[in-house]
Amino acid sequence: DAGITQSPRHKVTETGTPVTLRCHQTENHRYMYWYRQDPGHGLRLIHYSYGVKDTDKGEVSDGYSVSRSKTEDFLLTLESATSSQTSVYFCAISEGGRSSYEQYFGPGTRLTVT
Amino acid sequence: QKEVEQNSGPLSVPEGAIASLNCTYSDRGSQSFFWYRQYSGKSPELIMFIYSNGDKEDGRFTAQLNKASQYVSLLIRDSQPSDSATYLCAVPRGYNNNDMRFGAGTRLTVKP
Repeated sequence: DAGITQSPRHKVTETGTPVTLRCHQTENHRYMYWYRQDPGHGLRLIHYSYGVKDTDKGEVSDGYSVSRSKTEDFLLTLESATSSQTSVYFCAISEGGRSSYEQYFGPGTRLTVT
Repeated sequence: QKEVEQNSGPLSVPEGAIASLNCTYSDRGSQSFFWYRQYSGKSPELIMFIYSNGDKEDGRFTAQLNKASQYVSLLIRDSQPSDSATYLCAVPRGYNNNDMRFGAGTRLTVKP
């Protein structure tokens, strides 16, 4: 998984509780991404980061926030989890720059909101 | 119209045959194109990328890009049962190579 870890790998939480997922990389890549994957929708970008403290929204950012205080860590927070946020969440990294847009994925976190 | 479309399958081919997977995209500004393989319960794995019109070969895999027709395809020659997986097409939105849009994937089964 290209030096990418995600924690936790599985989580069950209740509606209305805050949840934070962590992505950690050892590749020193500039770009980091959070996706969710749902049946019938494929992978959808939530947020991405292009450097420390630099983030931007993706296709499905509502209800999610992110932070990146160090190159190696990218956090995804669900401020108040809802059942519609039950999904598999993947972190990805890419080196960036010319011809380096390939993204490599972490192992995923399965989140269930009851 | 979805930004990236793939036939969901399942596509079934016999072992040793050529598997052909297709993907169409809507944004004419897209410059790079990616194919990922995802085994059940696992994370997507990058297998091919292509930036220029034409064919790009890597082992048993060939990616074909036709920007005028806005499609990209993946051919798998000499298909093996281990190729059975879901194949995802990914296309960045316009010139922002970070805003990646994925197709829903085509499930391929290679039968021994």
